[in-house]
Amino acid sequence: AQKVTQAQTEISVVEKEDVTLDCVYETRDTTYYLFWYKQPPSGELVFLIRRNSFDEQNEISGRYSWNFQKSTSSFNFTITASQVVDSAVYFCALSGITGGFKTIFGAGTRLFVKA
Amino acid sequence: NAGVMQNPRHLVRRRGQEARLRCSPMKGHSHVYWYRQLPEEGLKFMVYLQKENIIDESGMPKERFSAEFPKEGPSILRIQQVVRGDSAAYFCASSPQDIRDLKNNEQFFGPGTRLTVL
Repeated sequence: AQKVTQAQTEISVVEKEDVTLDCVYETRDTTYYLFWYKQPPSGELVFLIRRNSFDEQNEISGRYSWNFQKSTSSFNFTITASQVVDSAVYFCALSGITGGFKTIFGAGTRLFVKA
Repeated sequence: NAGVMQNPRHLVRRRGQEARLRCSPMKGHSHVYWYRQLPEEGLKFMVYLQKENIIDESGMPKERFSAEFPKEGPSILRIQQVVRGDSAAYFCASSPQDIRDLKNNEQFFGPGTRLTVL
């Protein structure tokens, strides 16, 4: 079965702090995709990143960085120097052949960034 | 190039009424997916459709829910005889090719329809 676990339900930080959102996944597939989405208070889903299972290179995009570790089945997301506008719910998701490539979402981590 | 469009953005229904949610995929996309997000939860897959075909409806409740994607026009998610537990955000996503195409399985999400059942 496929599963995504985001153990942190809520995280609260003060502006300019770094924060890491954890994501652990389960799959028996050798080929799969991992995603992060942001859901701001307005409710829409904002795509942040897609990573395939064969590419373990870490990625950095501005203040965002992602650490993909197949050995621990984790795909963690770090925001450096957090800002109030980063306050949102962040979802980690998985897509693989076992699930017919449907996207399986974690329960989400709600991030509060206080000024 | 407009993104995925969903309407209405907000829908209020009384128990027992019908709810019809519409999704217009991105231009050139012929694959549509519906997801439901219950309050304080992540999104759960409901159904995957191509034009005039239901490919995977494994996430659809067995009763009262149906979906279609006709040759012309938007995809429709229909909920009959709504109950309070149907209150949720319903997201539609589209992709240009079959989601099982490994290299091109990115889904683009719409803004969602928030259904409130009184």
